[in-house]
Amino acid sequence: QVSLVESGGAVVQPGRSLRLSCAASNFTFKSYTMQWVRQAPGKGLDWVAIISYNENVKYYEDSVKGRFTISRDSSKSTLYLQMSNLRAEDSAVYYCARSGAAYYMDVWGKGTTVIVS
Amino acid sequence: YVLTQAPSVSVAPGQTASLTCEINNFGRRSVHWYQLKPGQAPLLVIYFGSDRPSGIPGRFSGSNSGSTATLTISRVEAGDEADYYCQVWDSVNERVIFGGGTKLTVL
Repeated sequence: QVSLVESGGAVVQPGRSLRLSCAASNFTFKSYTMQWVRQAPGKGLDWVAIISYNENVKYYEDSVKGRFTISRDSSKSTLYLQMSNLRAEDSAVYYCARSGAAYYMDVWGKGTTVIVS
Repeated sequence: YVLTQAPSVSVAPGQTASLTCEINNFGRRSVHWYQLKPGQAPLLVIYFGSDRPSGIPGRFSGSNSGSTATLTISRVEAGDEADYYCQVWDSVNERVIFGGGTKLTVL
């Protein structure tokens, strides 16, 4: 069964860094664009970043530009989100998702929780 | 782009729920819909406006009219109670946009 499993969430102090991972299984990871989406407590879905299958294209939501870096290791079928200079407003459940054409997200992980406090 | 969704919709079991997503600068945009239940991974229920992923019941359908996309859930069941989000790709600003979400309550 196709799956994504996030890890790396933690409680961190403002200004610190954290790296999230997303392990993919049972699909050809290297062929897919991947995304990160987050949901703050009591809020809606909020897009974070996207990376193309070959890493040539990376886009970020404005509030994380310069602080977050999306990357991938196709040899490990793993997506990453390196987060630095964390702020309280970055506190959220972070989901990774597989992206299809027109940027829909057809496979999601269950999320990992980041608390900045 | 701004995607506007009603904060909440309530419907009785067996009835039809229509959840709308108003899109300014709609143009020719593909709209996708997600279901989000507490503690669960989001679930894609409609993509490209009206296509249904495998495993999604036929009670879920999507349509577009002018600048409004609609997710219709027929014969609503208690298990359909969730938050629903619409989503598009903003090719001008190179970003994904989500609507604010609609909480569907099954009475």
